[in-house]
Amino acid sequence: SQKIEQNSEALNIQEGKTATLTCNYTNYSPAYLQWYRQDPGRGPVFLLLIRENEKEKRKERLKVTFDTTLKQSLFHITASQPADSATYLCALDGTGGYNKLIFGAGTRLAVHP
Amino acid sequence: EAGVVQSPRYKIIEKKQPVAFWCNPISGHNTLYWYLQNLGQGPELLIRYENEEAVDDSQLPKDRFSAERLKGVDSTLKIQPAELGDSAVYLCASSPPQGAANTGELFFGEGSRLTVL
Repeated sequence: SQKIEQNSEALNIQEGKTATLTCNYTNYSPAYLQWYRQDPGRGPVFLLLIRENEKEKRKERLKVTFDTTLKQSLFHITASQPADSATYLCALDGTGGYNKLIFGAGTRLAVHP
Repeated sequence: EAGVVQSPRYKIIEKKQPVAFWCNPISGHNTLYWYLQNLGQGPELLIRYENEEAVDDSQLPKDRFSAERLKGVDSTLKIQPAELGDSAVYLCASSPPQGAANTGELFFGEGSRLTVL
């Protein structure tokens, strides 16, 4: 069956450290994968998109990798801050085209001062 | 630029009552989505519109859920009658037409939280 798996346990890290979140998928062949941030009581906000032919994408303190052999994406936040505390959702295109995003359940990140 | 606007933000109803949610997408976004998000889960697609046409409603429970986007702009999602299990957040999202400027990003509203008693 098709699955997108993110660590359901919250990730607790100290301010200044690098947070690494994992997204694994099964029985999908996505052309791209996206990461969103969601704060409590708010809608998800887009952060980064990485395509299947890209190994790595960076944006400020964020870095995403995409390994289509391992069927895994890693999301890194360097020099983490308490303001980075939120739930991070990965999403991939379930049909090989745009506009059909399938979301994982998300991982909650807590950055402690 | 205004974002995706949803209303109401919160709704509490008793089971078997009807409820409706409204969404106004970002201007110029021809694709509109309704997602359902249960606590601790990711959003799940209910229906996707391209302009006024529902191009993917395979996940919409059609016995009690209905949606419309009559003029290809704002949209309404209705539940009638509501059941206890419908308690969730209903998210609306939009995206621009496909092309060079479209990165596949979805722009979400703040959601409508439904509680069915």
